[in-house]
Amino acid sequence: RKEVEQDPGPFNVPEGATVAFNCTYSNSASQSFFWYRQDCRKEPKLLMSVYSSGNEDGRFTAQLNRASQYISLLIRDSKLSDSATYLCVVNNGASGNTPLVFGKGTRLSVIA
Amino acid sequence: DGGITQSPKYLFRKEGQNVTLSCEQNLNHDAMYWYRQDPGQGLRLIYYSQIVNDFQKGDIAEGYSVSREKKESFPLTVTSAQKNPTAFYLCASKWSGSNQPQHFGDGTRLSIL
Repeated sequence: RKEVEQDPGPFNVPEGATVAFNCTYSNSASQSFFWYRQDCRKEPKLLMSVYSSGNEDGRFTAQLNRASQYISLLIRDSKLSDSATYLCVVNNGASGNTPLVFGKGTRLSVIA
Repeated sequence: DGGITQSPKYLFRKEGQNVTLSCEQNLNHDAMYWYRQDPGQGLRLIYYSQIVNDFQKGDIAEGYSVSREKKESFPLTVTSAQKNPTAFYLCASKWSGSNQPQHFGDGTRLSIL
C-alpha cells in the first residue's frame, strides 16, 4: 500500500460547484497533515493544515478521520482560480523531524 | 522579505557535466529538503538535512550530492552519474522538531543539452 494515496482526477466541475477530495495514508503513527496547492509549473504552496477537530478557511474545509486514516478537503462555491493540483501531505512519523510525504495530487479543473 | 531562493530558474547540462543548484533561506529554518518532480508526477525526496553538517539520503539519492555547511544554504549537485536529470527541482525548508509545514522555493528546471 502506498504511503499517501489520492485519486489523480481530473475533477472537472462548473463554477459555483462544491467538490471534495479524499486522501488515505498508511502510517497510523502520522501526526500532522496538510493540503498544498500546486499550479502548473509552479512550486507547491501550503493551502491549510488539517487539525483533528477539522478546520475551515473561507470556502475550504479540511477534516481528519484517524480511525479510517483519511483526510478530506472540501471546496465550496468553486472559482476558476481554484483550478490546480491539490497535494495531500502527511508527516509519516511520531516526531516533526521526519520528512513530509507527499501524495501525487488530485487535479481540479473549474470550468466557466 | 523572508523566503527561500533557488537559482538559477533554468539550467542546462551537457552530457558528463556536474551542475550545482543553489538553495538559500533566510527563515532561520533548521531543516532543508530537495525534491525532484517529473512531468505529471509527484514529488520525490532526494536528500534532506535537519542540522548543519548533517544530511540524509532520501528515496532517490543516487547521482546527487549535497552539503550543509551553513544553516541558510543547502546546495544540490547533479552529477554525471545521474543519467536522467531532466526534471523540476524543488528546495524546501521548515522548523525542525515540530509538526510544521514545509515552505518551498520556486524551483529550478534542469534540462539536458
